Amino acid sequence: EPEVTQTPSHQVTQMGQEVILRCVPISNHLYFYWYRQILGQKVEFLVSFYNNEISEKSEIFDDQFSVERPDGSNFTLKIRSTKLEDSAMYFCASSQQGLIGNEQFFGPGTRLTVL
Amino acid sequence: AQSVTQLDSHVSVSEGTPVLLRCNYSSSYSPSLFWYVQHPNKGLQLLLKYTSAATLVKGINGFEAEFKKSETSFHLTKPSAHMSDAAEYFCVVSEGAGNMLTFGGGTRLMVKP
Repeated sequence: EPEVTQTPSHQVTQMGQEVILRCVPISNHLYFYWYRQILGQKVEFLVSFYNNEISEKSEIFDDQFSVERPDGSNFTLKIRSTKLEDSAMYFCASSQQGLIGNEQFFGPGTRLTVL
Repeated sequence: AQSVTQLDSHVSVSEGTPVLLRCNYSSSYSPSLFWYVQHPNKGLQLLLKYTSAATLVKGINGFEAEFKKSETSFHLTKPSAHMSDAAEYFCVVSEGAGNMLTFGGGTRLMVKP
């Protein structure tokens, strides 16, 4: 069964460093998403992406964040200068359609620890 | 704005007994509602979804949920818990353009032998 994969499973970085989190969505999906969950808090929407453009983004997704689909398979989230408060589990998701009610398929997450 | 409240952060049941995980939502319009499950080191997996069709929704692994508009609730139930049901469960609402999901805080289900 096709699934969303994410690498690495755990990333440790120093404050101020750039990190790139990688995701491989399901191959025939067209809509891509990033969410994050800070320890002890709710899963929060960051950004949605379709047709090589950001469709929607939350207040969390400021200028420090960017997303890219560099080739036909990968979808990346870059944090330019990490802060302590960026420590969280980051989930990638994809869906075939972008309409309300369409299932989003989630990856297992990348745990980012900023020291 | 939409929001989701899961009333219990932890629920503990004995194997073979019923499961009830509670969820209330607020939404300006008719929402789409989901329950996702997360097992350790696994991605979030869809259990079931409500998208304005039948109010009683059946999902995988014997779970079901009932949409009650008057109570703004979407509680998840299962008649008989199995050890493999132990996991974290998320109630989720989708509303508006872009299919952005809003998550509840999660309920950790523990199943005792």
